[in-house]
Amino acid sequence: SQKIEQNSEALNIQEGKTATLTCNYTNYSPAYLQWYRQDPGRGPVFLLLIRENEKEKRKERLKVTFDTTLKQSLFHITASQPADSATYLCAFLSSDTGNQFYFGTGTSLTVIP
Amino acid sequence: GAGVSQSPRYKVAKRGQDVALRCDPISGHVSLFWYQQALGQGPEFLTYFQNEAQLDKSGLPSDRFFAERPEGSVSTLKIQRTQQEDSAVYLCASSLGWSSNQPQHFGDGTRLSIL
Repeated sequence: SQKIEQNSEALNIQEGKTATLTCNYTNYSPAYLQWYRQDPGRGPVFLLLIRENEKEKRKERLKVTFDTTLKQSLFHITASQPADSATYLCAFLSSDTGNQFYFGTGTSLTVIP
Repeated sequence: GAGVSQSPRYKVAKRGQDVALRCDPISGHVSLFWYQQALGQGPEFLTYFQNEAQLDKSGLPSDRFFAERPEGSVSTLKIQRTQQEDSAVYLCASSLGWSSNQPQHFGDGTRLSIL
């Protein structure tokens, strides 16, 4: 079965530092991998998408890498701010088993002022 | 423009009752997904519609769960004879099309509590 693992522990970092979140997957090679942000009591919000042939994607202070050999994606937030505190989810679509989007369990990030 | 709207935001029901959860997707979005999210977990796929066609319902946990999207826009997720293990947040998402490169737009969910 598909499995996506994210940092199991909550991540606490100091404001201004770079936060790095990991997403590891098994049993499939997705063509695309997506990252979402989820705040308490709200639905996930799309942040970034990276294709399998892209090594890196950037959007403002966000950077995503995708290593298909390691079956891993890293999500970086540079110059972190308290407003970045949220849960971050990675997800991909598994076309070999139909139309299911698989989400990781999420990593809770807290940026300390 | 308006995002994905879900109602009710909170629903409390007694075990054995039937419940219906509504999702209004973004206008023009072809694809619609339902997810179940337990506390501290990521969303788990339940079912997928492309327009009015339910193309995948493999994630529905039992035959007590039923979803429909009769006119290809609003969708309803119905749970019959609710059980305590059905307590969770139910999320709806829509996207322009079905493709792994299409971002999904989520509603804020319905928090279902079964007493």
